[in-house]
Amino acid sequence: DTEVTQTPKHLVMGMTNKKSLKCEQHMGHRAMYWYKQKAKKPPELMFVYSYEKLSINESVPSRFSPECPNSSLLNLHLHALQPEDSALYLCASSQGSGVGYGYTFGSGTRLTVV
Amino acid sequence: AQSVSQHNHHVILSEAASLELGCNYSYGGTVNLFWYVQYPGQHLQLLLKYFSGDPLVKGIKGFEAEFIKSKFSFNLRKPSVQWSDTAEYFCGGYGGSQGNLIFGKGTKLSVKP
Repeated sequence: DTEVTQTPKHLVMGMTNKKSLKCEQHMGHRAMYWYKQKAKKPPELMFVYSYEKLSINESVPSRFSPECPNSSLLNLHLHALQPEDSALYLCASSQGSGVGYGYTFGSGTRLTVV
Repeated sequence: AQSVSQHNHHVILSEAASLELGCNYSYGGTVNLFWYVQYPGQHLQLLLKYFSGDPLVKGIKGFEAEFIKSKFSFNLRKPSVQWSDTAEYFCGGYGGSQGNLIFGKGTKLSVKP
C-alpha cells in the first residue's frame, strides 16, 4: 500500500457545524502533515505530527484541531469555521520529518464553508 | 529563511513544443528539491526529486530536471509536451520553521492541442 487516503473527498459545512477530516496511511511512515491549499495557490503547511506527537503548528487558528490517534491515522477536527477557510485540505506522510524524506500526498478534501 | 521560488506564473505552449519551467532555491547546507504536478481537480503527484548525486534527474512522464548549484536552480524540462501535460507544476524544497516541505507559487502550464 503506497497511498495516503483522505475522507471525505468533498465536504460542505455551515459555520456552526463540527466536522472532521480523516487521513490514513499504511506505509509505516512516522510523520504526517496537514496542508491547506487555496485556489491557484501552493499548499501551505498547517500541522506536523512526528511519531504521533504534534511537532509543528504553523500559527493555525484554534478552530482547526488536529489529532493523531495512532501512527496510521491523522484527523483534523473543524469547528466554527469561516467562509475563508474554504479550501482543499491535503494530508501527506513521510518516513520521518525534516530534511531528506519524500512526501506522499493524499487526494485531499475539498471543503466549502457556507 | 529557506525558500523556493518560481518566476513563471503561466506558460502556454503548443503540443510538441519543448518545456522549461524555472525554479530557484535560496538556502545552503543539504539541498533536497522536488517537482510536483497537480492535474486539474487532482492531488499532488511527485514528478521527480533531487537528493544528491547526478545533478540531472529523470522523473516520470518524460520529465527531467537539472540541479545547477552555481545558479541555485532546479529547472524542469520536457522535450515535447502533450495536451495531457496541462497542469499546475510546483517546485518544492525544505524550509519553514523546522525544515518541512514548502512550495514555490506554482506555474500553470496550458498546452494547446
